[in-house]
Amino acid sequence: DSGVTQTPKHLITATGQRVTLRCSPRSGDLSVYWYQQSLDQGLQFLIQYYNGEERAKGNILERFSAQQFPDLHSELNLSSLELGDSALYFCASSARQGEANEKLFFGSGTQLSVL
Amino acid sequence: GQNIDQPTEMTATEGAIVQINCTYQTSGFNGLFWYQQHAGEAPTFLSYNVLDGLEEKGRFSSFLSRSKGYSYLLLKELQMKDSASYLCAVDNYGQNFVFGPGTRLSVLP
Repeated sequence: DSGVTQTPKHLITATGQRVTLRCSPRSGDLSVYWYQQSLDQGLQFLIQYYNGEERAKGNILERFSAQQFPDLHSELNLSSLELGDSALYFCASSARQGEANEKLFFGSGTQLSVL
Repeated sequence: GQNIDQPTEMTATEGAIVQINCTYQTSGFNGLFWYQQHAGEAPTFLSYNVLDGLEEKGRFSSFLSRSKGYSYLLLKELQMKDSASYLCAVDNYGQNFVFGPGTRLSVLP
């Protein structure tokens, strides 16, 4: 158990809908990262938050948004869903930012299926 | 730009040794990580290199050459449970971790 909690584990929805994925980092970790992994693809970086502030952005679509709350949990919002958004979405956390050997700890992921 | 390359698939026999290579070109470098990922599961940390050389950890070793932008993961005494994808990732100074496409390793009896 990595200590990172993601909910829900599975989500099935229809095109055009909006969903929210939730992540609670390991106790004490300030950084939260979101990744998308499509079938047989690598991990695509979406966005990073550090202590409530956005710190880095990857190839995140405008239909997607995220935030990190004062209690450090994070939510990823996906709207106007398309079939191609079906993927495994991972949240990861690390203690600080920019320190060497700050490895990522991953949650178990949310499997999103858009029908 | 940022680019990480790994072989897509590899096959090896139980008990053998396999080397998975990773080459990278990134805008920043604060260390290189190797993760293991079984299908449908979360990646789990295997090893970390920030200085040139070999890091050994039981059956797993990882090597880094910063001047060549090259790393490899060496798996010894392969077991069936080692069948998984192996992801190379570069820490871009904590702003993000850039992951390679992953190498799918199949261990055959």
